[in-house]
Amino acid sequence: EAQVTQNPRYLITVTGKKLTVTCSQNMNHEYMSWYRQDPGLGLRQIYYSMNVEVTDKGDVPEGYKVSRKEKRNFPLILESPSPNQTSLYFCASSTGLSHQPQHFGDGTRLSIL
Amino acid sequence: AQKVTQAQTEISVVEKEDVTLDCVYETRDTTYYLFWYKQPPSGELVFLIRRNSFDEQNEISGRYSWNFQKSTSSFNFTITASQVVDSAVYFCALSTGANNLFFGTGTRLTVIP
Repeated sequence: EAQVTQNPRYLITVTGKKLTVTCSQNMNHEYMSWYRQDPGLGLRQIYYSMNVEVTDKGDVPEGYKVSRKEKRNFPLILESPSPNQTSLYFCASSTGLSHQPQHFGDGTRLSIL
Repeated sequence: AQKVTQAQTEISVVEKEDVTLDCVYETRDTTYYLFWYKQPPSGELVFLIRRNSFDEQNEISGRYSWNFQKSTSSFNFTITASQVVDSAVYFCALSTGANNLFFGTGTRLTVIP
């Protein structure tokens, strides 16, 4: 089954404790992206990757890191999480062509205390 | 710059009523794609439809229909004979160039039985 898998689905942690949210897709997609969803703001792009070893900033990259060492994986790293990073996070993938819809993971709800 | 506006934050209708969700977009690109996604209470994002900038034909899929008008930069979504299962947050999104999606802030639809 074609899917984008995020882990964990839920995480409560404390300020400053490094965390990684993993994202994996099994569709051989070139393009992967991370979004955060906040009430009243919709989804905003954090980082995206057009291919292996190619990453770029989205609209809200501050406080986040990503890497794309393999085509299928695109982890999101919070080196020193802060409460303003409490949010619902989505990973997405697509072929990279702008007319193709993005496939989204089920989301990761992060709470930073 | 790309921008998507969904002016309706929340809408409530009684079951079997028709409802239209508005979406207005801004872009200077001549080639672009518009999408609608549904986010049910379970939280995942479900792709509903894509429309490209060269195709202004309206589309109907069952109880769903979409009206794309370049003259007013709008891509509105109508649900006919609404059902409780239609209760969700609906996002309109715009894609240009590198497959990066720009989302509106979403419209929460509540269908009252």
